Amino acid sequence: NAGVTQTPKFRILKIGQSMTLQCTQDMNHNYMYWYRQDPGMGLKLIYYSVGAGITDKGEVPNGYNVSRSTTEDFPLRLELAAPSQTSVYFCASSYTGTAYEQYFGPGTRLTVT
Amino acid sequence: AQTVTQSQPEMSVQEAETVTLSCTYDTSESDYYLFWYKQPPSRQMILVIRQEAYKQQNATENRFSVNFQKAAKSFSLKISDSQLGDAAMYFCAYGSSGSARQLTFGSGTQLTVLP
Repeated sequence: NAGVTQTPKFRILKIGQSMTLQCTQDMNHNYMYWYRQDPGMGLKLIYYSVGAGITDKGEVPNGYNVSRSTTEDFPLRLELAAPSQTSVYFCASSYTGTAYEQYFGPGTRLTVT
Repeated sequence: AQTVTQSQPEMSVQEAETVTLSCTYDTSESDYYLFWYKQPPSRQMILVIRQEAYKQQNATENRFSVNFQKAAKSFSLKISDSQLGDAAMYFCAYGSSGSARQLTFGSGTQLTVLP
C-alpha cells in the first residue's frame, strides 16, 4: 500500500491564482482530513469528510473548498490565493474501527507571493 | 471546543538519557483518545503512541511511554534511552469521540538530542 499520497510536494502561486491540492489514499478509509501547518505551529483542521459525498468545515475553512466523490480521493481547492495561505498542507485519513489514529501524507509546501 | 497545550517549546536531552515532554488538554468529554506524533525534518507526521481515555493503564511502545492522568487532564511522553533519531518536533493531539473523529493538536515541542 502507498498509504496517503499528496501532489504536488511544492508549489509557488501568485496572489489571486487558484489551484487544487490532490490527496489519495489506498487504505479504504472512510475518514479524510485536510490540515494546514503554519511555521512553528501545530496543525489546524481545514475540512474533513466522513465518507464519499459528505464534507464539513473544520476550524479554518475560509478560502478553501473540498469535494469527495470517491472513497480514495479528497482534493482541496484554493480559490484566489492570498499570502495568508502560505503554509504546509497535510492530508490524513482514518478508518472506521475503534482506533482513531490518523495516517498522514507527506505534505505540500505552498508559497503565495 | 477542546484545547491542547504544550508548554515546552524546546527541550534537549543527552543521548542515552531520559526526557519527558508535557501535554495538558481541556475537554468536557469523558470518552476520547490521546496521541503523540513525531515530525522529523522530513515533515512526515509519524504516530508514536496512543492512549484510550477509558484505559487506566499507561500505553507503552518500546522506549516510549506515557503518563496519563485523566483527572488532571495531563498526558506526558517519556522517551527512554534517547537516540539521535529521536530528534524531531513532537505534537500532542486530542482525538474527539464525536462523529468526525477530529484531532486537535498542540503547538509542539522541538526535541534536540545531544551526542
